[in-house]
Amino acid sequence: KQEVTQIPAALSVPEGENLVLNCSFTDSAIYNLQWFRQDPGKGLTSLLLIQSSQREQTSGRLNASLDKSSGRSTLYIAASQPGDSATYLCAVNAGANSKLTFGKGITLSVRP
Amino acid sequence: NAGVMQNPRHLVRRRGQEARLRCSPMKGHSHVYWYRQLPEEGLKFMVYLQKENIIDESGMPKERFSAEFPKEGPSILRIQQVVRGDSAAYFCASSLPPGQGVYEQYFGPGTRLTVT
Repeated sequence: KQEVTQIPAALSVPEGENLVLNCSFTDSAIYNLQWFRQDPGKGLTSLLLIQSSQREQTSGRLNASLDKSSGRSTLYIAASQPGDSATYLCAVNAGANSKLTFGKGITLSVRP
Repeated sequence: NAGVMQNPRHLVRRRGQEARLRCSPMKGHSHVYWYRQLPEEGLKFMVYLQKENIIDESGMPKERFSAEFPKEGPSILRIQQVVRGDSAAYFCASSLPPGQGVYEQYFGPGTRLTVT
């Protein structure tokens, strides 16, 4: 059974800091991995999707990496801003059009 | 191209009533997924459907919960005789059919169900 872990559960950093959010999963047989952002009381916004054959994806200040063999992914946020404050969720997809297994998320607070 | 639409956004039901949650997938998407987010817990998969067919319902509670995705119209998640423990945010996601794209799931804004 796939399990996804995100530690720590919460993180507070000063504005401008570069930071890394970690995600680990127990079964390396994944099809892809998605990082999402969720604001309080809102839905999920997809940030980046990495296919199992890829090592990383970039979008603006965000960079996500994937090491399938070790069961790890990281989301790197450059030059953090208060507007980045949200919960960041990692989810893995075990197969084509399969269900996503989510971590519990990391709640990020960026202090002005 | 409108995103995934869910309605209602907020739903209040008394214990014992029925709740019906609706989800319209993105245009061109024929696969729908339902997830539930309980307070202080992560999102959990419930059911995966394509039109007129349930593909995977391994995450659905055994009783009171059902889902459908008819040939015409939105997907419906139905909860009969709701209890306080059903209070949660219910999210719908959609994706392209197999063989098209990278199987990215796009999420709706969710329906927040409160059982009083």
